[in-house]
Amino acid sequence: QQQVKQSPQSLIVQKGGISIINCAYENTAFDYFPWYQQFPGKGPALLIAIRPDVSEKKEGRFTISFNKSAKQFSLHIMDSQPGDSATYFCAATLDSGTYKYIFGTGTRLKVLA
Amino acid sequence: EPEVTQTPSHQVTQMGQEVILRCVPISNHLYFYWYRQILGQKVEFLVSFYNNEISEKSEIFDDQFSVERPDGSNFTLKIRSTKLEDSAMYFCASRPRPFGAGELFFGEGSRLTVL
Repeated sequence: QQQVKQSPQSLIVQKGGISIINCAYENTAFDYFPWYQQFPGKGPALLIAIRPDVSEKKEGRFTISFNKSAKQFSLHIMDSQPGDSATYFCAATLDSGTYKYIFGTGTRLKVLA
Repeated sequence: EPEVTQTPSHQVTQMGQEVILRCVPISNHLYFYWYRQILGQKVEFLVSFYNNEISEKSEIFDDQFSVERPDGSNFTLKIRSTKLEDSAMYFCASRPRPFGAGELFFGEGSRLTVL
């Protein structure tokens, strides 16, 4: 019930292409869904987040699509750039208690120049 | 920009030794966390700390682990008797407010290698 499943494990995209990473969760009580970006040797950093009262959120080239009925959410990176090459983690949390994050397993994205 | 700082960046220790990892959360933050990431795997929750006490811990956080906020700025993770499987990157994180889900701010991590 606490798991967040993430796919694919790795992704290679050409520069200018669209990168899509998917996550699925089980616990319907989750109500905050962030995406974190991690570069090698660095800590995860918040990229974009969504709450379940909206189906889509866009910030620049990054968009989260959220499907509450399917319990799925995805990250779309438009016009992918080599500088986007990193590991991306989705996460989910309850809006109560300790607000701990449950992370997905991560997707290693490589954008080819 | 305020940031979470962690020391040391890398520590190598022998199995059975005690290790203390240190963190300085962002100054006005109220919730503190330790997560760990075994090489190539997902980031896993260890413990959360609020109002000078543990608010939640995972099953990974057994009696070998302890956390402390010894003063107004530091937040430490102690592993009493390290095991080979404790080798991982340990991330400290903090958040500013006690209520409402929101952004966690992570440090750059402390890599622990147990030989």
